Amino acid sequence: DVKVTQSSRYLVKRTGEKVFLECVQDMDHENMFWYRQDPGLGLRLIYFSYDVKMKEKGDIPEGYSVSREKKERFSLILESASTNQTSMYLCASFDRTSYEQYFGPGTRLTVT
Amino acid sequence: EDQVTQSPEALRLQEGESSSLNCSYTVSGLRGLFWYRQDPGKGPEFLFTLYSAGEEKEKERLKATLTKKESFLHITAPKPEDSATYLCAVSMTTDSWGKLQFGAGTQVVVTP
Repeated sequence: DVKVTQSSRYLVKRTGEKVFLECVQDMDHENMFWYRQDPGLGLRLIYFSYDVKMKEKGDIPEGYSVSREKKERFSLILESASTNQTSMYLCASFDRTSYEQYFGPGTRLTVT
Repeated sequence: EDQVTQSPEALRLQEGESSSLNCSYTVSGLRGLFWYRQDPGKGPEFLFTLYSAGEEKEKERLKATLTKKESFLHITAPKPEDSATYLCAVSMTTDSWGKLQFGAGTQVVVTP
């Protein structure tokens, strides 16, 4: 079974803090994604990566950055957290053979 | 503008009462259409991929169909355990492999 794990299920941070969200997959997938999910808006793509050290902006990259130093790990960084970044963050890994995208359990981030 | 629209936003069904969810899309070139199921507090779980108009796929009480403009997810004789949010997503030929655009989802509640 493909496993995508995220470092925290729940996180509370203060405005202005630097926040790291980590995602690890165990299936040697090249493509990995970070989304945020908000009520009524669905999943919106923040950043994605198709190889180590490669990254591309998604639809809403402002206020975020990413790091992919190893194939299995894709980190999302909030440089200076703001209250409008309170959301559910979902990481996903993509299988190029089956064309399935596998999601982690999500991190519910609250910025106060 | 590329768009994915799901309807209805919410659906309340009695156990055994069959119904359909709609996903309409306006994209420049469709590579594939995906259906996911999401339980509260969890990441989305892959259900189906459809690639061409006329294609159908089934899994237990769920059946997904695809036309040139929309997809339907039919739930036949639903049970309470089918309660979840169902998400539709599209992959466009103009995008990188694995990059998906999601609809806002349909929340389904099945009561005994």
